[in-house]
This record gives sequence, C-alpha cells and structure tokens, in this order.
Amino acid sequence: EDQVTQSPEALRLQEGESSSLNCSYTVSGLRGLFWYRQDPGKGPEFLFTLYSAGEEKEKERLKATLTKKESFLHITAPKPEDSATYLCAVQETGNQFYFGTGTSLTVIP
Amino acid sequence: DVKVTQSSRYLVKRTGEKVFLECVQDMDHENMFWYRQDPGLGLRLIYFSYDVKMKEKGDIPEGYSVSREKKERFSLILESASTNQTSMYLCASGRPGGAAKETQYFGPGTRLLVL
Repeated sequence: EDQVTQSPEALRLQEGESSSLNCSYTVSGLRGLFWYRQDPGKGPEFLFTLYSAGEEKEKERLKATLTKKESFLHITAPKPEDSATYLCAVQETGNQFYFGTGTSLTVIP
Repeated sequence: DVKVTQSSRYLVKRTGEKVFLECVQDMDHENMFWYRQDPGLGLRLIYFSYDVKMKEKGDIPEGYSVSREKKERFSLILESASTNQTSMYLCASGRPGGAAKETQYFGPGTRLLVL
C-alpha cells in the first residue's frame, strides 16, 4: 500500500509555462509534509515543510500548498534551471517517514 | 547552513567485500538516517539512529549494519557486498521533536557499484 504517490512521473514544460506537481498521501495522521529538489547524481535539497491543511509556502517560482489528502507544488514561469526531480515525503504521527518516487521536471528553453 | 558530508561520491567494490560508508553532520543533530535510492522505488530507509550508540532498523536492513560511536558520525556497513546492493546511498540528519525541527537534511550521496 503506497503511502505517498506523486504525479506525473515526468513533466516537460516550455520555459514560462506554469504547471503543478501533485503529491497525494494516505497516512493516518500527518505530522509534516516535505518537498525536496534533487538534481541528477546529488542528494535531495530541502525546499519546504507544511504542517496543516490550508498552509502555503513560497520560494522564488515555487509555491507549495497542502490539503488533507494532497499537496501541490506550483511552478510559475519556470526556467531551465528549475529542471530536476521533485520529491515529496510525509511524516506520520508515529514518526515514520514515507517518500514518493518523485516527478522529473524538464524545462525546455 | 546544515552540512552533511559522505565519505565517497563513487565506489566500486567486488562481491563479498566489506564496505564502509561514512556520514558526518556538523549541526549537532540527534537523528541520522541511511537510505538507498533506486529508480522507480524512491528512497527506502535502511537504518536510523536517534542517539549515540542507538540504532533502529528501517524498512530494508537485511545485509547492512550501522555504527554510531559519535553524535556527528553515522556509518553504514555492508558486511558482504552483493550485486543487488548496487545503488545510490543517501545519508540524512535532523532533530527530533517538534514539527518545525524534524526536516531531514541530506548528504550528496554515494553511488556504489558492486561487481
């Protein structure tokens, strides 16, 4: 049973074409939801933590939102340097972390 | 800035060899984690440690052991490397307690190839 599902698996955007990545989760109690960016051959780089439904966080062209069942990572007017794999992770109230398999984003100039 | 370093970026080992992967963090974090990352499977937790000399099994501990003799250092040991342990190994650290402090920070990863 998957606790965290990310969609789509891969996304190709033209530079400037805004879109959203989805992370849906099924843990019984959410303690925190985390977004990471991972470049090829490197470790994940922390982006955001969200704790409760309705919360939003922003950083440059990225905005993360959270509902009771899913989170969205909105990318506004992306640039080629935003190309990476974006990982979502959830921590349940029992402290276990679950990671999704990521969305591979390619932004074409 | 949190800094997590791993001893090697790339390793090539032979089947049956004993392999040591080391991780060091400089932020005085209590928790440290070892994951492996494989295409299509995401990150899978191997072991974690919440204090010096303490360890807990993750989802896939078989074939691995760990050591945490000092707070800043967490070692992953492959007792007898096998080809199915070829993977990207990621170390992470973080503080316990309180949602605001439980973010995990990752090292750059070690890509291990077992021949």
